[in-house]
Amino acid sequence: DAGVTQSPTHLIKTRGQQVTLRCSPKSGHDTVSWYQQALGQGPQFIFQYYEEEERQRGNFPDRFSGHQYPNYSSELNVNALLLGDSALYLCASSLGALTSSYNEQFFGPGTRLTVL
Amino acid sequence: TQLLEQSPQFLSIQEGENLTVYCNSSSVFSSLQWYRQEPGEGPVLLVTVVTGGEVKKLKRLTFQFGDARKDSSLHITAAQPGDTGLYLCAGAPGANSKLTFGKGITLSVRP
Repeated sequence: DAGVTQSPTHLIKTRGQQVTLRCSPKSGHDTVSWYQQALGQGPQFIFQYYEEEERQRGNFPDRFSGHQYPNYSSELNVNALLLGDSALYLCASSLGALTSSYNEQFFGPGTRLTVL
Repeated sequence: TQLLEQSPQFLSIQEGENLTVYCNSSSVFSSLQWYRQEPGEGPVLLVTVVTGGEVKKLKRLTFQFGDARKDSSLHITAAQPGDTGLYLCAGAPGANSKLTFGKGITLSVRP
């Protein structure tokens, strides 16, 4: 049973560039959430996708956007990168609202983004 | 904004010692979770508690949810070097609401 996978593992970009991160959810899961974890901090919720739509969003600017495909995989796009966007980006998968009441999420290993 | 405060921030103990760490909030949560995260990896779910006063045990780890569902504790008995890691608590106000994480507790267990 494959867990949550993310690609790439590491990424280095320069200020102003754009980046796309990818996530495949755990088998059987249909909901994908994205988090940003800065060094020494807990993960911060960016947004959640369910049925190919953004269902919830945290306090992140519009530079952060996403997409979910029919096979439930997801992408996180960040435009006009800033130095402060350097962080570990985590993807978590879970079952949708109708089948789970506990918010149990399974995390991938993350993508380490460095913006120079 | 619902904030989760974890304490202590850092803890370094000798193998075999017992410890208790805390996760506190002024808000009520429908569920609260504890995760452990190792360097370069994503958080791994340890437990979910949903009922006020609930106690759950996972081998040497004991988790308790406060009666008012605003706080939680994690007690580790006879800590092992393998317990080293970042312990995160996360709460949600409702079913499939977004999770709010604390900053985490960095635990180091020396052999």
